[in-house]
Amino acid sequence: EAQVTQNPRYLITVTGKKLTVTCSQNMNHEYMSWYRQDPGLGLRQIYYSMNVEVTDKGDVPEGYKVSRKEKRNFPLILESPSPNQTSLYFCASSSRDGNSGNTIYFGEGSWLTVV
Amino acid sequence: QQQVKQSPQSLIVQKGGISIINCAYENTAFDYFPWYQQFPGKGPALLIAIRPDVSEKKEGRFTISFNKSAKQFSLHIMDSQPGDSATYFCAATYSGGYQKVTFGTGTKLQVIP
Repeated sequence: EAQVTQNPRYLITVTGKKLTVTCSQNMNHEYMSWYRQDPGLGLRQIYYSMNVEVTDKGDVPEGYKVSRKEKRNFPLILESPSPNQTSLYFCASSSRDGNSGNTIYFGEGSWLTVV
Repeated sequence: QQQVKQSPQSLIVQKGGISIINCAYENTAFDYFPWYQQFPGKGPALLIAIRPDVSEKKEGRFTISFNKSAKQFSLHIMDSQPGDSATYFCAATYSGGYQKVTFGTGTKLQVIP
């Protein structure tokens, strides 16, 4: 089954305590990205990766880091989380589809609360 | 900079009615306009998409209407059902290679019996 798997699904952490949200896809997609979803703001891209070792900033990259050492994995790192990073996070992957354009496959989301 | 404006933010429709969600874009270079559907506790999933060379695309009860000159597109859900209750995101992008997708802010649809 085609999947984007992210962990943890739910996390409460304290300000300043480093955390990593893992993401893995089994579709051999070149492109992966991270989004955050906030009420009234929709989905905003944090970082994206076009392939292994190739990453770039999205719309809201401040306070986040990513790495892409393997094609299937794209972890999101919060080095020093702050309360304004409390949000619902989605990992996503996509591949060029000549018939449909870029179809994005999303994980099920990670609820992160920073207190 | 918001390049895709979506309205309304929330919508309540009676079962059997028509749900209409509207989006407007600014960048005329966009050439692929997908709609994503998100159920509570789940990630968004592609529902239907359209390219600007057609004015309408229909899949079952879901129809996208596209007005290239007005730079607007809309999702119509006919015979709305309680199972359609979800958040809907319109989006816009370019179809060549990897291109960043710009999402609307979402519409929370509730279909009441």
